[in-house]
Amino acid sequence: NAGVMQNPRHLVRRRGQEARLRCSPMKGHSHVYWYRQLPEEGLKFMVYLQKENIIDESGMPKERFSAEFPKEGPSILRIQQVVRGDSAAYFCASSPGTANTGELFFGEGSRLTVL
Amino acid sequence: TQLLEQSPQFLSIQEGENLTVYCNSSSVFSSLQWYRQEPGEGPVLLVTVVTGGEVKKLKRLTFQFGDARKDSSLHITAAQPGDTGLYLCAGAHRNNNDMRFGAGTRLTVKP
Repeated sequence: NAGVMQNPRHLVRRRGQEARLRCSPMKGHSHVYWYRQLPEEGLKFMVYLQKENIIDESGMPKERFSAEFPKEGPSILRIQQVVRGDSAAYFCASSPGTANTGELFFGEGSRLTVL
Repeated sequence: TQLLEQSPQFLSIQEGENLTVYCNSSSVFSSLQWYRQEPGEGPVLLVTVVTGGEVKKLKRLTFQFGDARKDSSLHITAAQPGDTGLYLCAGAHRNNNDMRFGAGTRLTVKP
Protein backbone atom coordinates (compact mmCIF):
# COMPACT_ATOMS: atom_id res chain seq x y z
CA ASN A 1 0.00 0.00 0.00
CA ALA A 2 1.68 3.16 -1.21
CA GLY A 3 -0.84 5.49 0.38
CA VAL A 4 -0.66 7.56 3.54
CA MET A 5 -0.64 5.24 6.51
CA GLN A 6 -1.95 6.24 9.90
CA ASN A 7 -1.92 4.25 13.08
CA PRO A 8 -3.56 3.44 15.27
CA ARG A 9 -6.93 3.67 13.54
CA HIS A 10 -8.64 3.78 16.91
CA LEU A 11 -7.18 4.79 20.25
CA VAL A 12 -8.86 4.94 23.64
CA ARG A 13 -7.25 6.85 26.46
CA ARG A 14 -8.29 7.89 29.94
CA ARG A 15 -8.08 11.51 30.99
CA GLY A 16 -4.51 12.46 31.85
CA GLN A 17 -2.85 9.84 29.65
CA GLU A 18 -0.80 10.51 26.56
CA ALA A 19 -1.85 9.82 22.97
CA ARG A 20 0.61 9.30 20.14
CA LEU A 21 -0.66 9.23 16.58
CA ARG A 22 1.62 8.19 13.74
CA CYS A 23 1.60 9.04 10.08
CA SER A 24 3.76 7.66 7.30
CA PRO A 25 3.43 9.82 4.20
CA MET A 26 3.25 8.54 0.67
CA LYS A 27 6.57 7.48 -0.78
CA GLY A 28 8.45 10.48 -2.06
CA HIS A 29 6.36 13.00 -0.13
CA SER A 30 8.25 15.32 2.16
CA HIS A 31 5.36 17.45 3.46
CA VAL A 32 2.93 16.35 6.14
CA TYR A 33 -0.19 18.04 7.44
CA TRP A 34 -2.28 17.19 10.48
CA TYR A 35 -5.97 18.03 10.67
CA ARG A 36 -8.57 17.48 13.36
CA GLN A 37 -12.19 16.69 12.66
CA LEU A 38 -15.08 16.63 15.10
CA PRO A 39 -18.25 14.66 14.24
CA GLU A 40 -20.37 16.38 11.60
CA GLU A 41 -17.73 19.06 11.05
CA GLY A 42 -15.03 19.89 8.50
CA LEU A 43 -11.28 19.65 8.81
CA LYS A 44 -9.45 22.03 11.09
CA PHE A 45 -5.80 22.66 10.27
CA MET A 46 -3.37 21.92 13.07
CA VAL A 47 0.19 21.79 11.80
CA TYR A 48 2.27 21.58 8.63
CA LEU A 49 5.69 19.96 8.68
CA GLN A 50 8.53 19.16 6.39
CA LYS A 51 11.29 16.75 7.30
CA GLU A 52 12.76 17.90 10.63
CA ASN A 53 10.99 21.26 10.43
CA ILE A 54 7.71 22.69 11.61
CA ILE A 55 6.58 25.12 8.92
CA ASP A 56 3.25 26.26 10.35
CA GLU A 57 1.78 25.30 13.71
CA SER A 58 -0.77 28.07 13.93
CA GLY A 59 -3.60 25.57 14.41
CA MET A 60 -2.02 23.69 17.28
CA PRO A 61 -3.19 24.35 20.84
CA LYS A 62 -0.36 26.03 22.72
CA GLU A 63 -0.30 23.43 25.47
CA ARG A 64 -0.23 19.63 25.52
CA PHE A 65 0.01 19.22 21.73
CA SER A 66 3.22 18.72 19.78
CA ALA A 67 4.19 17.34 16.39
CA GLU A 68 7.36 16.16 14.77
CA PHE A 69 8.50 14.75 11.46
CA PRO A 70 11.97 13.31 11.98
CA LYS A 71 14.49 12.61 9.28
CA GLU A 72 13.77 8.93 9.63
CA GLY A 73 10.41 7.46 10.56
CA PRO A 74 6.84 8.65 10.63
CA SER A 75 5.40 11.97 11.66
CA ILE A 76 4.01 11.89 15.18
CA LEU A 77 1.25 13.96 16.72
CA ARG A 78 1.53 13.82 20.49
CA ILE A 79 -1.16 14.85 22.91
CA GLN A 80 -0.18 14.93 26.56
CA GLN A 81 -2.60 14.76 29.49
CA VAL A 82 -5.58 14.18 27.25
CA VAL A 83 -8.98 15.60 28.13
CA ARG A 84 -12.42 14.59 26.88
CA GLY A 85 -12.44 17.52 24.46
CA ASP A 86 -9.51 15.97 22.62
CA SER A 87 -11.80 13.20 21.38
CA ALA A 88 -11.87 13.56 17.59
CA ALA A 89 -10.63 12.09 14.34
CA TYR A 90 -7.12 13.19 13.48
CA PHE A 91 -6.20 13.07 9.82
CA CYS A 92 -2.78 13.19 8.31
CA ALA A 93 -2.13 14.23 4.72
CA SER A 94 1.00 14.39 2.63
CA SER A 95 2.14 16.18 -0.49
CA PRO A 96 5.29 16.05 -2.58
CA GLY A 97 6.06 19.66 -1.78
CA THR A 98 7.74 20.57 -5.01
CA ALA A 99 6.11 21.42 -8.35
CA ASN A 100 2.90 20.76 -6.50
CA THR A 101 -0.54 22.10 -7.40
CA GLY A 102 -1.70 21.71 -3.84
CA GLU A 103 -3.24 18.25 -3.79
CA LEU A 104 -3.18 16.46 -0.49
CA PHE A 105 -3.34 12.72 -0.04
CA PHE A 106 -5.06 11.70 3.16
CA GLY A 107 -4.78 8.75 5.44
CA GLU A 108 -7.85 7.07 6.88
CA GLY A 109 -7.51 8.89 10.16
CA SER A 110 -6.92 8.03 13.80
CA ARG A 111 -9.96 8.21 16.01
CA LEU A 112 -9.15 9.18 19.57
CA THR A 113 -11.65 8.58 22.32
CA VAL A 114 -10.93 9.98 25.76
CA LEU A 115 -12.87 8.38 28.57
CA THR B 1 -5.67 33.06 8.00
CA GLN B 2 -7.84 32.86 4.87
CA LEU B 3 -11.43 31.76 5.36
CA LEU B 4 -13.22 29.42 3.01
CA GLU B 5 -16.98 29.45 3.31
CA GLN B 6 -19.01 26.61 1.90
CA SER B 7 -22.72 26.65 1.26
CA PRO B 8 -25.09 25.14 1.87
CA GLN B 9 -23.88 23.40 4.99
CA PHE B 10 -26.41 20.59 4.57
CA LEU B 11 -28.28 19.45 1.49
CA SER B 12 -30.77 16.61 1.19
CA ILE B 13 -32.20 15.79 -2.23
CA GLN B 14 -33.90 13.00 -4.12
CA GLU B 15 -32.09 10.76 -6.54
CA GLY B 16 -32.08 12.26 -10.03
CA GLU B 17 -32.07 15.90 -8.95
CA ASN B 18 -29.36 18.38 -9.82
CA LEU B 19 -27.49 20.43 -7.25
CA THR B 20 -24.79 23.06 -6.89
CA VAL B 21 -22.59 23.72 -3.89
CA TYR B 22 -20.36 26.71 -3.42
CA CYS B 23 -17.00 27.62 -1.96
CA ASN B 24 -16.26 31.31 -1.43
CA SER B 25 -13.43 33.38 -0.03
CA SER B 26 -12.18 36.93 0.01
CA SER B 27 -8.69 35.64 -0.76
CA VAL B 28 -7.14 34.75 -4.10
CA PHE B 29 -5.93 31.18 -4.37
CA SER B 30 -3.15 29.78 -6.49
CA SER B 31 -5.12 26.54 -6.66
CA LEU B 32 -8.29 25.10 -5.23
CA GLN B 33 -9.24 21.51 -4.62
CA TRP B 34 -12.50 19.68 -4.04
CA TYR B 35 -12.51 16.57 -1.87
CA ARG B 36 -15.19 14.08 -0.97
CA GLN B 37 -15.23 12.32 2.37
CA GLU B 38 -17.35 9.33 3.32
CA PRO B 39 -18.07 8.40 6.95
CA GLY B 40 -15.14 6.75 8.67
CA GLU B 41 -12.69 7.55 5.90
CA GLY B 42 -10.26 10.26 4.91
CA PRO B 43 -11.03 12.86 2.23
CA VAL B 44 -10.35 11.84 -1.34
CA LEU B 45 -9.32 14.37 -3.95
CA LEU B 46 -11.85 14.93 -6.74
CA VAL B 47 -10.30 17.76 -8.72
CA THR B 48 -7.78 20.58 -8.69
CA VAL B 49 -8.46 23.87 -10.47
CA VAL B 50 -5.70 26.33 -11.12
CA THR B 51 -6.70 28.82 -13.81
CA GLY B 52 -9.32 31.50 -13.26
CA GLY B 53 -12.52 30.61 -15.14
CA GLU B 54 -11.44 27.00 -15.50
CA VAL B 55 -14.15 24.35 -15.84
CA LYS B 56 -13.45 20.68 -15.25
CA LYS B 57 -15.82 17.78 -15.66
CA LEU B 58 -15.66 14.44 -13.92
CA LYS B 59 -18.55 12.31 -15.19
CA ARG B 60 -21.66 13.93 -13.65
CA LEU B 61 -19.63 16.46 -11.65
CA THR B 62 -18.74 19.89 -13.04
CA PHE B 63 -16.27 22.09 -11.22
CA GLN B 64 -15.75 25.75 -11.94
CA PHE B 65 -13.09 28.13 -10.64
CA GLY B 66 -14.09 31.77 -10.50
CA ASP B 67 -12.44 34.26 -12.85
CA ALA B 68 -10.82 36.02 -9.90
CA ARG B 69 -9.73 32.70 -8.32
CA LYS B 70 -11.59 33.49 -5.11
CA ASP B 71 -14.49 31.08 -5.42
CA SER B 72 -15.55 27.79 -6.90
CA SER B 73 -18.67 25.75 -7.50
CA LEU B 74 -19.43 22.07 -7.82
CA HIS B 75 -22.47 21.03 -9.83
CA ILE B 76 -23.78 17.47 -9.77
CA THR B 77 -26.18 16.33 -12.45
CA ALA B 78 -28.70 13.57 -11.78
CA ALA B 79 -27.47 12.87 -8.28
CA GLN B 80 -27.26 9.28 -7.10
CA PRO B 81 -27.23 7.82 -3.57
CA GLY B 82 -23.56 7.01 -4.10
CA ASP B 83 -22.87 10.76 -4.24
CA THR B 84 -23.77 11.04 -0.56
CA GLY B 85 -20.88 12.41 1.47
CA LEU B 86 -19.12 15.48 2.79
CA TYR B 87 -17.80 17.73 0.03
CA LEU B 88 -14.86 19.86 1.10
CA CYS B 89 -13.10 22.63 -0.74
CA ALA B 90 -9.53 23.56 0.06
CA GLY B 91 -7.45 26.48 -1.08
CA ALA B 92 -3.73 26.96 -1.37
CA HIS B 93 -1.71 30.14 -1.14
CA ARG B 94 2.00 30.74 -1.36
CA ASN B 95 3.83 27.95 -3.13
CA ASN B 96 0.74 25.75 -2.91
CA ASN B 97 1.82 24.32 0.42
CA ASP B 98 -0.40 26.28 2.77
CA MET B 99 -3.72 24.44 2.65
CA ARG B 100 -6.93 25.38 4.41
CA PHE B 101 -10.31 23.70 4.24
CA GLY B 102 -13.86 24.92 4.29
CA ALA B 103 -16.33 23.39 6.74
CA GLY B 104 -17.89 21.31 3.97
CA THR B 105 -21.30 20.62 2.49
CA ARG B 106 -22.90 17.45 3.76
CA LEU B 107 -24.91 15.96 0.89
CA THR B 108 -27.52 13.25 1.27
CA VAL B 109 -29.09 11.76 -1.82
CA LYS B 110 -32.19 9.72 -1.07
CA PRO B 111 -33.17 6.84 -3.33
